[in-house]
Amino acid sequence: EPEVTQTPSHQVTQMGQEVILRCVPISNHLYFYWYRQILGQKVEFLVSFYNNEISEKSEIFDDQFSVERPDGSNFTLKIRSTKLEDSAMYFCASSAWFSGRGNEQFFGPGTRLTVL
Amino acid sequence: SQQGEEDPQALSIQEGENATMNCSYKTSINNLQWYRQNSGRGLVHLILIRSNEREKHSGRLRVTLDTSKKSSSLLITASRAADTASYFCATDAGYGNKLVFGAGTILRVKS
Repeated sequence: EPEVTQTPSHQVTQMGQEVILRCVPISNHLYFYWYRQILGQKVEFLVSFYNNEISEKSEIFDDQFSVERPDGSNFTLKIRSTKLEDSAMYFCASSAWFSGRGNEQFFGPGTRLTVL
Repeated sequence: SQQGEEDPQALSIQEGENATMNCSYKTSINNLQWYRQNSGRGLVHLILIRSNEREKHSGRLRVTLDTSKKSSSLLITASRAADTASYFCATDAGYGNKLVFGAGTILRVKS
């Protein structure tokens, strides 16, 4: 069964460093998302991406964050200068929205980002 | 703001019993989705119910949706120890839109 994959599973970085989190969405999906979950808290929406541009972004997704679909299969989240409060589990999701199907979003296993 | 809120926050039952979790939200939605998360792991999609549906079944799962009360329930029948996990509802207000997650219900099934 097709699934969303994410790499790495765990990333440790120093404050102020740039990180890139990678995702391979399900191949026939059209919408892509990043969410994050700070330990013990709710899953929070960061950004949605469709047709090679951002559809919607949350207040969390400030100028330090960017997304890209560089090659038609990967979907990346870059954090330019990490802060301690960026430590969280980051989930990529994708959905094959089309009329009558509904927006079922399938999530990857997550990347645990630890900022020291 | 649209927001799913689950209750109870935690539920502990014996294997074989049924588990019911509830979710309330505040605004109109296109659909509502339920997810399971095992400790420290990813989110597994369980079921999606559209705003024009009232009930949906998938295996041992039964989901109801009452749009007049802005609430949904997830019933797991004949629970197993492997059902131990956190369960989240998430609401979707539009095409391709973000999901807004509730805080979740922690379910523990004792064998």
